[in-house]
Amino acid sequence: GQQLNQSPQSMFIQEGEDVSMNCTSSSIFNTWLWYKQDPGEGPVLLIALYKAGELTSNGRLTAQFGITRKDSFLNISASIPSDVGIYFCMYGQNFVFGPGTRLSVLP
Amino acid sequence: DAGITQSPRYKITETGRQVTLMCHQTWSHSYMFWYRQDLGHGLRLIYYSAAADITDKGEVPDGYVVSRSKTENFPLTLESATRSQTSVYFCASSENRDQAFFGQGTRLTVV
Repeated sequence: GQQLNQSPQSMFIQEGEDVSMNCTSSSIFNTWLWYKQDPGEGPVLLIALYKAGELTSNGRLTAQFGITRKDSFLNISASIPSDVGIYFCMYGQNFVFGPGTRLSVLP
Repeated sequence: DAGITQSPRYKITETGRQVTLMCHQTWSHSYMFWYRQDLGHGLRLIYYSAAADITDKGEVPDGYVVSRSKTENFPLTLESATRSQTSVYFCASSENRDQAFFGQGTRLTVV
């Protein structure tokens, strides 16, 4: 089946910095979904991508559907403490999540 | 209240016992899912259901049983609990293959 990889596995950044993370798959995807999980909560959808090359924003978050359809990128600008959590990519067709990127924001 | 609710929130059970985790959604979503999340791991799909009376295995189905006799309920049963099934279990629902809404999770400890 499809394998999803996310990098980095974890990251520590200073408040105000920009963040970049990515997700890669072993297969071509038709849909990329990005979720965030706050500590002690269930994941919440941030952004959904449906077309290769698509760039979509949600506030300070921007995600892109890679041209090869095997990767996706999530950027967070001007990070704030509430950005702390685990960010997951997900393939909507089979409901499988990537391993996640754990983000810590230092004041 | 509208939404998706899981019960119980916390459960401690003994090895070998049967335990059922409940999940109820009020949106009439077609899809429902069960995931487990272990420390150091992401969310792994156990089972999912596309509609009442239709269920399919996910990535880690062994040791679990599900049923979906009604659209709004999707219980997960551990027939004979093992320590390796100690985990946080999340239920989710979705109307399509995009946005899934997750419950608060059930923290299960098998001793």
